[in-house]
Amino acid sequence: KAGVTQTPRYLIKTRGQQVTLSCSPISGHRSVSWYQQTPGQGLQFLFEYFSETQRNKGNFPGRFSGRQFSNSRSEMNVSTLELGDSALYLCASSLVGTGNTIYFGEGSWLTVV
Amino acid sequence: AQKVTQAQTEISVVEKEDVTLDCVYETRDTTYYLFWYKQPPSGELVFLIRRNSFDEQNEISGRYSWNFQKSTSSFNFTITASQVVDSAVYFCALSEAPGGSYIPTFGRGTSLIVHP
Repeated sequence: KAGVTQTPRYLIKTRGQQVTLSCSPISGHRSVSWYQQTPGQGLQFLFEYFSETQRNKGNFPGRFSGRQFSNSRSEMNVSTLELGDSALYLCASSLVGTGNTIYFGEGSWLTVV
Repeated sequence: AQKVTQAQTEISVVEKEDVTLDCVYETRDTTYYLFWYKQPPSGELVFLIRRNSFDEQNEISGRYSWNFQKSTSSFNFTITASQVVDSAVYFCALSEAPGGSYIPTFGRGTSLIVHP
């Protein structure tokens, strides 16, 4: 079956702009989580959504937001982009329940100039 | 709080060598899950294995093997007869079982470079 799909794969934005990234989870997966990966900070958890509700949130400023739709697809938005927001943004999905494996998409490479 | 340490930042080997990637974890829970992921240059983290805390059996899958030892809080990953295609960043992750949400903690990753 199809894996986690993220769009766009690559994008370049200017400081101060906003960006929206999209994620389609594996069919049947209702939990979607987002991670930011940078060389300096590694993989950092942004937030997790389940049934259109944010269940968990990492330690990121309010400029980072997300949402989940009724079909489990998710979007994340970053407003007022800063140079430090340049990163690989990874979406992952999983079945409901603890200990379930999360499966990642290929990520969206964001460059802020 | 849970923590995962991958002390090896980068490992460089020549093809056909065996290589072991170390992972040490910290958790207060008795029920937890450990994972390994592979991240090739394309960016996607590819799931390799999941282990729960009650299953200490070692696992072998082709050239890959995993050694889980609760006594030393380690979950090490060995690649036998490494190949150039094994070059990637490998992440170890830990998830506790709080009875609801599932947020794994990842180590900083080990970059494996396999030279031909």
